Amino acid sequence: EAQVTQNPRYLITVTGKKLTVTCSQNMNHEYMSWYRQDPGLGLRQIYYSMNVEVTDKGDVPEGYKVSRKEKRNFPLILESPSPNQTSLYFCASSLYSMTGPDFSQFFGPGTRLTVL
Amino acid sequence: EDQVTQSPEALRLQEGESSSLNCSYTVSGLRGLFWYRQDPGKGPEFLFTLYSAGEEKEKERLKATLTKKESFLHITAPKPEDSATYLCAVQDANTGFQKLVFGTGTRLLVSP
Repeated sequence: EAQVTQNPRYLITVTGKKLTVTCSQNMNHEYMSWYRQDPGLGLRQIYYSMNVEVTDKGDVPEGYKVSRKEKRNFPLILESPSPNQTSLYFCASSLYSMTGPDFSQFFGPGTRLTVL
Repeated sequence: EDQVTQSPEALRLQEGESSSLNCSYTVSGLRGLFWYRQDPGKGPEFLFTLYSAGEEKEKERLKATLTKKESFLHITAPKPEDSATYLCAVQDANTGFQKLVFGTGTRLLVSP
């Protein structure tokens, strides 16, 4: 079954304690992306990756890091989480061609993060 | 700056009562406009891509249309299982075709 998986699904942590949210896809997609969803603000893109070792900032990258060492995995790293990073996070993947990403993308189930 | 505005924020319909959701957008050049459906507690699910004004796409009770300034998602004779939040997003061909900019969504509730 084609899917994007995220772990953990729920996480409560404290300010400053480094954490990683994993994302994995089984569709051999080149393009992967992280979003955060906040009430009244909608989905906002944090980082994206066009392929292995190729990443770039989205609209709200401050406080986040990513890496793409393997095609299937795209972890999101919060080096020193703060309360304003409390949010619902989604990973997504899609095909990528010469004309850019195909945004008929698959989303993961989400990770609800609370930073105290 | 790319902007996407969806209206209404929330919509309540009776089963069988057709209606439309609106997505107004501002981009320097539209590469694609996307509609997604999101159920509570789940990730968005892709519905449609529209590329140029005049284009229409259909899927079951849903039909998406596109003009140069807005897109409509028409829901014909909705059923309770159509209840969800519908998200619209745009891909700018000139300033950031690698990125997607989302609206805040329309929450649809269809009562039996």
